[in-house]
Amino acid sequence: DIQMTQSPTSLAASVGESVTITCLASEDIYGSLVWYQQKPGKSPQLLIYGATILEDGIPSRFSGSGSDTQYSLKINSLQPEDFASYYCQNGLSTPRTFGGGTKLELK
Amino acid sequence: QVQLQQSGAELAKPGSSVKISCKASGYTFTSYYISWIKQTTGQGLEYIGYINTGSGGTNYNEKFKGKATLTVDKSSSTAFMQLSSLTPDDSAVYYCARDVYYGLLGVMDAWGQGASVTVSS
Repeated sequence: DIQMTQSPTSLAASVGESVTITCLASEDIYGSLVWYQQKPGKSPQLLIYGATILEDGIPSRFSGSGSDTQYSLKINSLQPEDFASYYCQNGLSTPRTFGGGTKLELK
Repeated sequence: QVQLQQSGAELAKPGSSVKISCKASGYTFTSYYISWIKQTTGQGLEYIGYINTGSGGTNYNEKFKGKATLTVDKSSSTAFMQLSSLTPDDSAVYYCARDVYYGLLGVMDAWGQGASVTVSS
């Protein structure tokens, strides 16, 4: 199985700041990287797929980048509703594997 | 709009089974696979497997073979997951999600609200 390692596991930031979350795959996943956002008590929501493609309705302050084994999610100008947990996922092969998550908290 | 409505919380005894449902609406059910995901505080998100809603064919994560059984009822646009021989380690929130494929890329673009399963004597 492809292992997905996310960092950091938690992150504190203020409204208006920018943050970056990284995800490392144990092997090349050829850009097949997916990002989800999960708010407390809610189900995950698709943010980005194919490493860089924003899902419909997702604000443009979210962006993804990366290739091969290294990927990142950047959130510019944090809004109050962005404080949540974020997960990366291998979309190339089954079983689909997830990173351990990054909890973004308000500083 | 696309919706996946899951059944409610379950409290089950060790050694028993539970069956969770996931009713789809807002799209053609058999045009998309349904995946199932387990979420616990300690283990995060774990992929259980998927079912081809048209053919009933399944693909399981090795870890969940023998634990989870995925089925589908096309007439009611509902997918099911049965969990058997329950232990406290099976206590978790279980999600169903709609699968979309972009070439080889598998993406879960809509999720159910989750079904909590608690295993306790």
